[in-house]
Amino acid sequence: KAGVTQTPRYLIKTRGQQVTLSCSPISGHRSVSWYQQTPGQGLQFLFEYFSETQRNKGNFPGRFSGRQFSNSRSEMNVSTLELGDSALYLCASTPGARGTDTQYFGPGTRLTVL
Amino acid sequence: GESVGLHLPTLSVQEGDNSIINCAYSNSASDYFIWYKQESGKGPQFIIDIRSNMDKRQGQRVTVLLNKTVKHLSLQIAATQPGDSAVYFCAETFGNEKLTFGTGTRLTIIP
Repeated sequence: KAGVTQTPRYLIKTRGQQVTLSCSPISGHRSVSWYQQTPGQGLQFLFEYFSETQRNKGNFPGRFSGRQFSNSRSEMNVSTLELGDSALYLCASTPGARGTDTQYFGPGTRLTVL
Repeated sequence: GESVGLHLPTLSVQEGDNSIINCAYSNSASDYFIWYKQESGKGPQFIIDIRSNMDKRQGQRVTVLLNKTVKHLSLQIAATQPGDSAVYFCAETFGNEKLTFGTGTRLTIIP
């Protein structure tokens, strides 16, 4: 079974631009979570989607948004990019709706904001 | 707010020795704990998990210990190998809440 895939793997943007990242969960997994990873803050939870509905949300500004499609694929969008948005963005999927299900991570998208 | 932290940010262990990575958590309601391993350039990889109704769980070369009295979690890796070099994260959750990750411990295996 293929793992979680994320595209693109690397991205360079400039301040003020917007970006969309994509995540395809493991086949059959219905929940997708997004995390931001930086050296200073570690892994920070962004949001979680289950059955196209946002179930949990972290403490990030409204510039960060996401959605999930009927096939469980998910996208996250960051508008008006800031230098501090440079990070590794990780997507994780779980089979069901329970927060206690094991999360399987993708390789991440490395975003650099210049 | 609740937090999950690690006692040591870095750990160096001789190849073949056992290593112990520690984690403290503050939410007494947490009922599920996971250890992840993250190698350079990769996403976190699930190692082992434990639920709050257990105090020990063993996998292949790894053991997780949970002490709910002092809210402490540890990961023991037996007979370390060069491939064990990575950053290790503990994470906690309860109910359907989001996972909260610790800051990570970098484990370096010395040949």
